[in-house]
Amino acid sequence: AQTVTQSQPEMSVQEAETVTLSCTYDTSESNYYLFWYKQPPSRQMILVIRQEAYKQQNATENRFSVNFQKAAKSFSLKISDSQLGDTAMYFCAFMKGWGKLQFGAGTQVVVTP
Amino acid sequence: DAGVTQSPTHLIKTRGQQVTLRCSPKSGHDTVSWYQQALGQGPQFIFQYYEEEERQRGNFPDRFSGHQFPNYSSELNVNALLLGDSALYLCASSLSVAADTQYFGPGTRLTVL
Repeated sequence: AQTVTQSQPEMSVQEAETVTLSCTYDTSESNYYLFWYKQPPSRQMILVIRQEAYKQQNATENRFSVNFQKAAKSFSLKISDSQLGDTAMYFCAFMKGWGKLQFGAGTQVVVTP
Repeated sequence: DAGVTQSPTHLIKTRGQQVTLRCSPKSGHDTVSWYQQALGQGPQFIFQYYEEEERQRGNFPDRFSGHQFPNYSSELNVNALLLGDSALYLCASSLSVAADTQYFGPGTRLTVL
């Protein structure tokens, strides 16, 4: 069984600063996908970034980037130039093949002025 | 381009009752997955529908059932409601059953009294 662990319940960051969220996962598979989703107070789950395990290159989407360490089974998210609108719960998620997403417990990010 | 829609937004039921939640997938998507998100937790996979059949199922009792219609929309039915069924129910759609990326709707907040 796969498990996803997010060890930081809450992170606080000032506007324009950078914050890094940690995620580790446990799997015996070699091919899989990893995701970061954002859930603001509106509760809408929004895809932030995705990473295919077979790709060495770390994914980047504007101010969001990941550090994917396959051997260490680590998948951290870096938010650069933080904005007030980045305040949300961030979930790391794992998918083997196709079908179900397995989510971590989430990290609450609070961006302060 | 319409995203994933869900109805109703909120509903309140009493123990023992039955409830039906509805989901319309993003335009062009034919696969629908359902998740249950209890307060303060990450979403848990309930099941996935493709070609009007349940393709994968998570660790949920038979009280949870679903259906997919020819237009790809889907319903989640929960019978004999328990207090523990109170949660946000999220629907996600994907381009195909083999697609890795799922897009979420705004959710239905179910309260069981």
